[in-house]
Amino acid sequence: QVQLQESGPGLVKPSQTLSLTCTVSGGSITSSSYYWSWIRQPAGRGLEWIGRIHTSGYGSTNYNPSLQSRVTISADTSKNQLSLKLSSVTAADTAVYYCARVVDTPMETKFDPWGQGTLVTVSS
Amino acid sequence: EIVLTQSPGTLSLSPGERATLSCRASQSVSSTYLAWYQQKPGQAPRLLIYGASSRATGIPDRFSGSGSGTDFTLTISRLEPEDFAVYYCQQYGSSPYTFGQGTKLEIK
Repeated sequence: QVQLQESGPGLVKPSQTLSLTCTVSGGSITSSSYYWSWIRQPAGRGLEWIGRIHTSGYGSTNYNPSLQSRVTISADTSKNQLSLKLSSVTAADTAVYYCARVVDTPMETKFDPWGQGTLVTVSS
Repeated sequence: EIVLTQSPGTLSLSPGERATLSCRASQSVSSTYLAWYQQKPGQAPRLLIYGASSRATGIPDRFSGSGSGTDFTLTISRLEPEDFAVYYCQQYGSSPYTFGQGTKLEIK
């Protein structure tokens, strides 16, 4: 059973870079049937898709245009980990950050499972 | 960007009643790429329905999804106490993937 666990600093100063890791256990991140996404949720608010990475082949990425200039998603296949970097953060980037596996096969496409999420606060 | 609008914002019902939640898209969404999630306080979203009508693993059959094009519905046939939560729809057929703003299902 695949499990995802986000980790990283809980507090980041304004203008700095937020860096998070998503560790995947119980399955490989390199399967061609999956890609991986990051999603965030400010406290008391809705969900925002940040971007995705397809770790097989060329490791293609796709980002939300609202964040594209500041975000980088990458993968370390040797550690079975995904990473998220968001630069020049402000208080508006304070949120719970989730990683999720996206099953993408001819039979089905779904975001499942999700990690438990990690809270990042941007404050000086 | 496809905007998903969920209604109502809050739904007040009693256990045993039927809940009908709506998700309307600003442009057509392929049914293959429409999902519903349940979220409880302090928890990650839980996948209920994908492909507009397929139940995720372990989801009770009182949850059902339907719809096509721009109008989708999540129905909970008989509410159990554990069903009171916030529900989100999501489209992932067109980038950027987007979520509705949520419907809060509360106990009446």
